[in-house]
Amino acid sequence: AQSVTQPDIHITVSEGASLELRCNYSYGATPYLFWYVQSPGQGLQLLLKYFSGDTLVQGIKGFEAEFKRSQSSFNLRKPSVHWSDAAEYFCAVGNNNDMRFGAGTRLTVKP
Amino acid sequence: DTAVSQTPKYLVTQMGNDKSIKCEQNLGHDTMYWYKQDSKKFLKIMFSYNNKELIINETVPNRFSPKSPDKAHLNLHINSLELGDSAVYFCASSQGTGVYGYTFGSGTRLTVV
Repeated sequence: AQSVTQPDIHITVSEGASLELRCNYSYGATPYLFWYVQSPGQGLQLLLKYFSGDTLVQGIKGFEAEFKRSQSSFNLRKPSVHWSDAAEYFCAVGNNNDMRFGAGTRLTVKP
Repeated sequence: DTAVSQTPKYLVTQMGNDKSIKCEQNLGHDTMYWYKQDSKKFLKIMFSYNNKELIINETVPNRFSPKSPDKAHLNLHINSLELGDSAVYFCASSQGTGVYGYTFGSGTRLTVV
């Protein structure tokens, strides 16, 4: 069965600093991978997705993620974080109408 | 125009009551889902429906019963509510197998007292 691990429960970065959120997955075949963001009191918004092709994918709000099959990873990056990026971030793996989420990483942005 | 809408947004009720949460999507998607998010933010799939047919039914107490009157609606009925049912419930939809991702509603915060 597929599963997702986000090793970092909480990360704090300064505004303007770079960001990397880690995600490792377990899946029997080529995975479909996703990153979602959840702002307080809101639903989840899709940031980006990977299912084939170029292993570096660009998303909304200046985020990107890189799929590394050899490491079973799909880490999310942003070169310069803005205060509005403070939120909960979820990595997910899925296919065939069955998407499983990681436990989430809470991002705090310091002024 | 909201893509996936859930009602109500907040629901406070007493133990033992029966309640329903409604979900509607106007995206033309053919698959809909219910997820439960606990107090630690962990998201767990409960059910998924494709064209009104149940395709995923995770280990959920049978007090929870989804109903899909048409492919644009997926309601969640909960009988005999318990304290442990307190959580945020999210409805989502997708087209096909979900390879392009899901669209989520804004959630229903259920509090059982």
